[in-house]
Amino acid sequence: DGGITQSPKYLFRKEGQNVTLSCEQNLNHDAMYWYRQDPGQGLRLIYYSQIVNDFQKGDIAEGYSVSREKKESFPLTVTSAQKNPTAFYLCASSPYRWETQYFGPGTRLLVL
Amino acid sequence: DQQVKQNSPSLSVQEGRISILNCDYTNSMFDYFLWYKKYPAEGPTFLISISSIKDKNEDGRFTVFLNKSAKHLSLHIVPSQPGDSAVYFCAASPREWSGGGADGLTFGKGTHLIIQP
Repeated sequence: DGGITQSPKYLFRKEGQNVTLSCEQNLNHDAMYWYRQDPGQGLRLIYYSQIVNDFQKGDIAEGYSVSREKKESFPLTVTSAQKNPTAFYLCASSPYRWETQYFGPGTRLLVL
Repeated sequence: DQQVKQNSPSLSVQEGRISILNCDYTNSMFDYFLWYKKYPAEGPTFLISISSIKDKNEDGRFTVFLNKSAKHLSLHIVPSQPGDSAVYFCAASPREWSGGGADGLTFGKGTHLIIQP
């Protein structure tokens, strides 16, 4: 089945620790995105990538980093510089820029 | 400044009746609009979209209406069913680079639809 997978479903981070959230898609989509959702809020764009080896900052990129070495993978690292990392993180992909985005199941990140 | 606004945080509708969810936008460069449905702790699911060259798009029980002059769109669900209870997000996108800010979709804050038996 084609789709987007995110792992893990839940992730715990200790103070000062970097953690990496995985996102994989087998839809052959060029563009991939990371969003963050906080309670009562819409989705806010962290980073996006239109093509392999290229990525751009979104509205709230501070404290996060990404890489896009393969078309099907777009991992997100939450660094220790992100002071409020507790949130629900959603990965999405689209055939190309500005097209309909399809979302993965999400990863909930909690701070210990 | 919110470019996509969903002014009703929640909406309660009786099963079998029509649900109408509203969305307003301010950026005149937006010309592609989408609705997503989201259950708690899951990713949003794409429901229906509309391009600015149309004023209506229908898919089964879901119809989206676009009023460009008013910068307003709405999602109609007829008839409403218990499984429709979820948070609905409106999203918008330019089809060309509009300059400044981040790319991708711009989302509203969502409306929690509750279908009552």
